[in-house]
Amino acid sequence: DTAVSQTPKYLVTQMGNDKSIKCEQNLGHDTMYWYKQDSKKFLKIMFSYNNKELIINETVPNRFSPKSPDKAHLNLHINSLELGDSAVYFCASSHFTLQGFGSPLHFGNGTRLTVT
Amino acid sequence: AQSVTQLDSHVSVSEGTPVLLRCNYSSSYSPSLFWYVQHPNKGLQLLLKYTSAATLVKGINGFEAEFKKSETSFHLTKPSAHMSDAAEYFCVVSDRGSARQLTFGSGTQLTVLP
Repeated sequence: DTAVSQTPKYLVTQMGNDKSIKCEQNLGHDTMYWYKQDSKKFLKIMFSYNNKELIINETVPNRFSPKSPDKAHLNLHINSLELGDSAVYFCASSHFTLQGFGSPLHFGNGTRLTVT
Repeated sequence: AQSVTQLDSHVSVSEGTPVLLRCNYSSSYSPSLFWYVQHPNKGLQLLLKYTSAATLVKGINGFEAEFKKSETSFHLTKPSAHMSDAAEYFCVVSDRGSARQLTFGSGTQLTVLP
């Protein structure tokens, strides 16, 4: 009964390939996120969806495309993978708040992407 | 605009001694503040959060943090470190100007020595 689950846990692929990471949450949250954690452990938000609507879209190459089929799922598709895409990608979810802040995130265990 | 600074990238303590992980923040509004812990090969787990209620916040696993507006600090403490506390700790700030974005600190690696 994992709260936020993402697959795969590890992903090793060659430059130029296209890959997808899937995320599902069973917490009843209406907002989901993708974060990228680099080799120095720095976390940066990439995207956020609220009820299937994109609400945060940071400066991310358009090779990255999120898709939210419903509010419990948020997938990340990456085209033409590059060496610099190697990182750990975390999915997270939270409740929407009227104030727009203050709601803690629940994280998945991450997907370690290695591009060779 | 919001930002957060974790003053130590690495902290090392002996088991059974107190833990202090320092965090300073900057926010244009009254912020919400969080501490998260990340164990190796795991996602981040919420330790505690401050959202304008009591300034001393108690979290899981014996951790607590005190919000000090005058010092713009939100330091994390624990009276007695356990080996299982060894992990990466992140201080996080969010304010109503942030459009639901959280700003993460750069992390503090806590090592607990036997």
